[in-house]
Amino acid sequence: DIQMTQSPSSLSASVGDRVTITCRASQSISSYLNWYQQKPGKAPKLLIYAASSLQSGVPSRFSGSGSGTDFTLTISSLQREDFATYYCQQSYSTFLFTFGPGTKVEIK
Amino acid sequence: QVQLQQWGAGLLKPSETLSLTCAVFGGSFSGYYWSWIRQPPGKGLEWIGEINHSGTTNYNPSLKSRVTVSVDTSKNQFSLKLRSVTAADTAVYYCARRRWGNEPFDIWGQGTMVTVSS
Repeated sequence: DIQMTQSPSSLSASVGDRVTITCRASQSISSYLNWYQQKPGKAPKLLIYAASSLQSGVPSRFSGSGSGTDFTLTISSLQREDFATYYCQQSYSTFLFTFGPGTKVEIK
Repeated sequence: QVQLQQWGAGLLKPSETLSLTCAVFGGSFSGYYWSWIRQPPGKGLEWIGEINHSGTTNYNPSLKSRVTVSVDTSKNQFSLKLRSVTAADTAVYYCARRRWGNEPFDIWGQGTMVTVSS
């Protein structure tokens, strides 16, 4: 199995802050890394796919980077509607998809 | 605009079979894989398994012995059965779509809370 880890597990930030979340895979996954945003009581929403491609309709303040085992999700200027939990997910192994444990972004 | 709408029993007793169905509206059923993903209360996401329009399936090895995902292409629906449930299977269950290949889950259903309790 490809194990995914995220750091931090939670963070507190203010509106307007730049926020960075890190995801690490237990083996190289090339660029097959996706990011999702989940708000309480809602299904996850795809933000970034293939490490750095912005899903249609997602604000440009979200960006992704990385390849191999280390990846980053950046929110350039945090907005109130961005307070949520963020998950990374690898799609390198199409026989067993795995997600990171999540990073909760809270209001400071 | 593709939408996934899911339904099924929300309360089960231990040893019963969980059964959920997801319907695809507004888009093609072929050319995609259709997945089930679950999330225990307060925890992260676990991929359960998937199927394509031809009936080809992939399952999470940790659940494979208890899971069946099936498809009804005439109705644009796919279903999940999870046998011999325990309290550990209590979770929100989501259906989701991904394109063939190393693609993300781009469309999700609304989720169904399933509780296993005696």
